[in-house]
Amino acid sequence: AQRVTQPEKLLSVFKGAPVELKCNYSYSGSPELFWYVQYSRQRLQLLLRHISRESIKGFTADLNKGETSFHLKKPFAQEEDSAMYYCALSGQDTGNQFYFGTGTSLTVIP
Amino acid sequence: GAVVSQHPSWVICKSGTSVKIECRSLDFQATTMFWYRQFPKQSLMLMATSNEGSKATYEQGVEKDKFLINHASLTLSTLTVTSAHPEDSSFYICSAHPITGFGYTFGSGTRLTVV
Repeated sequence: AQRVTQPEKLLSVFKGAPVELKCNYSYSGSPELFWYVQYSRQRLQLLLRHISRESIKGFTADLNKGETSFHLKKPFAQEEDSAMYYCALSGQDTGNQFYFGTGTSLTVIP
Repeated sequence: GAVVSQHPSWVICKSGTSVKIECRSLDFQATTMFWYRQFPKQSLMLMATSNEGSKATYEQGVEKDKFLINHASLTLSTLTVTSAHPEDSSFYICSAHPITGFGYTFGSGTRLTVV
């Protein structure tokens, strides 16, 4: 069963514009949601996790259990934000295993 | 912070040969490591869960005899692609979860090209 859905494979925004990368999930228990980022030719790295409720590089994400969403947002996109973004889910009954979305490639146009 | 070293970062091999990929946790112990595969324009797909001192657990559709996983110590897991074929060309990445604390750390990945 599809657990994490990222509906946009490609997303382009102009520098300085707001950006939102969508993520919806399907999970019966209490999930842990994450956003991972992969810059060109670099390792996948953790960007955000919902339990920390922190802002990293200007990005925030709020877990909306009613809408089962965990959208990633940034008010003003920067060129260095261009990367591949993956939404991921983990939960008590998944052990330490992650379920990843298919990823969204973000391009910030100068 | 926790670092996972994955080696090699890229490898080109001939069809029919075997390739070993190493995943090491450098400053922490990991009882569990995961191996993922990413085909172009697709998401990371979990291949197997590697548990120290026991047999790996493979996801459905992953051939355990082809993708041999060994987790001999708390800091090292290896993935061996046996009798590689061009369709095995992919990006392989490992991740490790520390025994204590929170966090999942990924290796830098291995780009395998089978010619």
